[in-house]
Amino acid sequence: GDSVTQMEGPVTLSEEAFLTINCTYTATGYPSLFWYVQYPGEGLQLLLKATKADDKGSNKGFEATYRKETTSFHLEKGSVQVSDSAVYFCALTPSTGGGNKLTFGTGTQLKVEL
Amino acid sequence: DAMVIQNPRYQVTQFGKPVTLSCSQTLNHNVMYWYQQKSSQAPKLLFHYYDKDFNNEADTPDNFQSRRPNTSFCFLDIRSPGLGDAAMYLCATSSLRSGTEETQYFGPGTRLLVL
Repeated sequence: GDSVTQMEGPVTLSEEAFLTINCTYTATGYPSLFWYVQYPGEGLQLLLKATKADDKGSNKGFEATYRKETTSFHLEKGSVQVSDSAVYFCALTPSTGGGNKLTFGTGTQLKVEL
Repeated sequence: DAMVIQNPRYQVTQFGKPVTLSCSQTLNHNVMYWYQQKSSQAPKLLFHYYDKDFNNEADTPDNFQSRRPNTSFCFLDIRSPGLGDAAMYLCATSSLRSGTEETQYFGPGTRLLVL
């Protein structure tokens, strides 16, 4: 079945540091790929998405590129802020069928310190 | 703004006392989902409605039921909450009519505490 693997956290960075959160997936065909962010005590917010190979999703300074050859969708940000502290979930929906079911990774907690 | 709304944000119930969580949406999406998220874990899909068609996940306990009286509203009923049902419950919606838009949009969640 489909699966998503994320790097384990927590990841602790200083403000203005470069961020990479690794995400790889296993799925048939060309799934759609997503990054969701969850702030403490809140629901999930869509951060960015990509629906086909080589697409780059971007939002609020975050970027991720859909790499079919490495089955990866790593999240990057050039300069993190304290307000970016949250849990980040990588997820996919299958390319066909599957009822649009989201498969999540386990989440990566990011802590940004001054 | 179009959105997904969940009420209440916090719910306290007693062991074995039925509880209902509600979700409404102004996105006019035809699919609505309920997820359970326990501390430090990823959300786990309980069930979803595709229009009026109910789709239960195989491992969702019978204790969890759902109702969707119309497009905008969906309810999660927990018939006899146990201590293990304490969690954040997330509602999400998506539109599959177009065949291309499949992003799920989440509400803020309801945190359930069982005493």
